[in-house]
Amino acid sequence: DAEITQSPRHKITETGRQVTLACHQTWNHNNMFWYRQDLGHGLRLIHYSYGVQDTNKGEVSDGYSVSRSNTEDLPLTLESAASSQTSVYFCASSGGQGAGDTQYFGPGTRLTVL
Amino acid sequence: QKEVEQNSGPLSVPEGAIASLNCTYSDRVSQSFFWYRQYSGKSPELIMSIYSNGDKEDGRFTAQLNKASQYVSLLIRDSQPSDSATYLCAVNRGLDFGNEKLTFGTGTRLTIIP
Repeated sequence: DAEITQSPRHKITETGRQVTLACHQTWNHNNMFWYRQDLGHGLRLIHYSYGVQDTNKGEVSDGYSVSRSNTEDLPLTLESAASSQTSVYFCASSGGQGAGDTQYFGPGTRLTVL
Repeated sequence: QKEVEQNSGPLSVPEGAIASLNCTYSDRVSQSFFWYRQYSGKSPELIMSIYSNGDKEDGRFTAQLNKASQYVSLLIRDSQPSDSATYLCAVNRGLDFGNEKLTFGTGTRLTIIP
């Protein structure tokens, strides 16, 4: 069955370190998204991609970067981790059939920055 | 004003009753509307989507959309303890390609009381 996976599921890191969160989908979806979820803020969009070599900034992109070299993967990199980036991170994908498309979410990565 | 607003709850409903969840949005050009359910510690999953004014029913769930009032709701009939979760409202601006990103509300926590 097609799925979307994230790794690691839990990560503890120190302030200033570079961290990369992996997202891999086997749906063959064109669109991929990264969100963070914090109490009181809900899901906020960090970056998104509509296809290979395409990346776009979301509403909370500062301090994060992504690259899309193939259809299946959209890794999220925190260039220099900060305590404010402690959060739960969700990756999602959709088929690119239009704005009515369902987004399917990965299981999430809980990141703690000490 | 937040783009998508929901009452954070918690909303407590007796088992077997109707749970009513509400969402308002600020962008008048919004075209696609989604309800996601999120159990504690899990990722969001889509339960309903609606694009046209009126009601859309799927089993015990009914989504209602009123674009003139910029209001979308979710009714859960015959509420079950397994419906206890956080419900996220999400909105998309258009129906066309290249515009698939969603804006989420902060979610309403629903508790069904046995």
